[in-house]
Amino acid sequence: DSGVTQTPKHLITATGQRVTLRCSPRSGDLSVYWYQQSLDQGLQFLIQYYNGEERAKGNILERFSAQQFPDLHSELNLSSLELGDSALYFCASSVGLTGNTGELFFGEGSRLTVL
Amino acid sequence: AQSVTQLDSHVSVSEGTPVLLRCNYSSSYSPSLFWYVQHPNKGLQLLLKYTSAATLVKGINGFEAEFKKSETSFHLTKPSAHMSDAAEYFCVVSAAGGSYIPTFGRGTSLIVHP
Repeated sequence: DSGVTQTPKHLITATGQRVTLRCSPRSGDLSVYWYQQSLDQGLQFLIQYYNGEERAKGNILERFSAQQFPDLHSELNLSSLELGDSALYFCASSVGLTGNTGELFFGEGSRLTVL
Repeated sequence: AQSVTQLDSHVSVSEGTPVLLRCNYSSSYSPSLFWYVQHPNKGLQLLLKYTSAATLVKGINGFEAEFKKSETSFHLTKPSAHMSDAAEYFCVVSAAGGSYIPTFGRGTSLIVHP
């Protein structure tokens, strides 16, 4: 058990809909990362938050947004869903600001299926 | 910019034989390098990491990797494969050129035959 909790584990929805994925980081970790894992793209970095502030953005679509709350949990909002958004969404947390020295602790992911 | 290339999408070995998973990296700055493992329907777990200390790094479950700057490689090895090693393995680079955001390779699926 990594200590990172993601909900829901599975989600099936229709095109055009909006969903929210939630992540609770490991106790004491200030950084939260969101990654998207799909068969054709592999693991793609979406966005990072550190202590409530957006720190870095990757290949995140404009239809997607995220935030980190004062209690350090994070939410990833996906709107106007398309078939291609079907993927496994991972949240990871770490103690520090940068990812060069520390370990990332991953949740078990939220599997999104868009029909 | 930074990137990693995992040279094999699938590696198949017999139980008890050595494992070699190959990874090449690209980075304009001194990198930190990691290997993660993902078992089916599970999150990713750190196997080992290189952060500019010893170039031969030992990790969990008997895995080790050697950082070779001249070859820009960070290959993962294990002397003897177990059935429980069957999983997806990811090589990861993090460096200043990528704002220290961990960049993942496409993964190598390790298949272990009895």
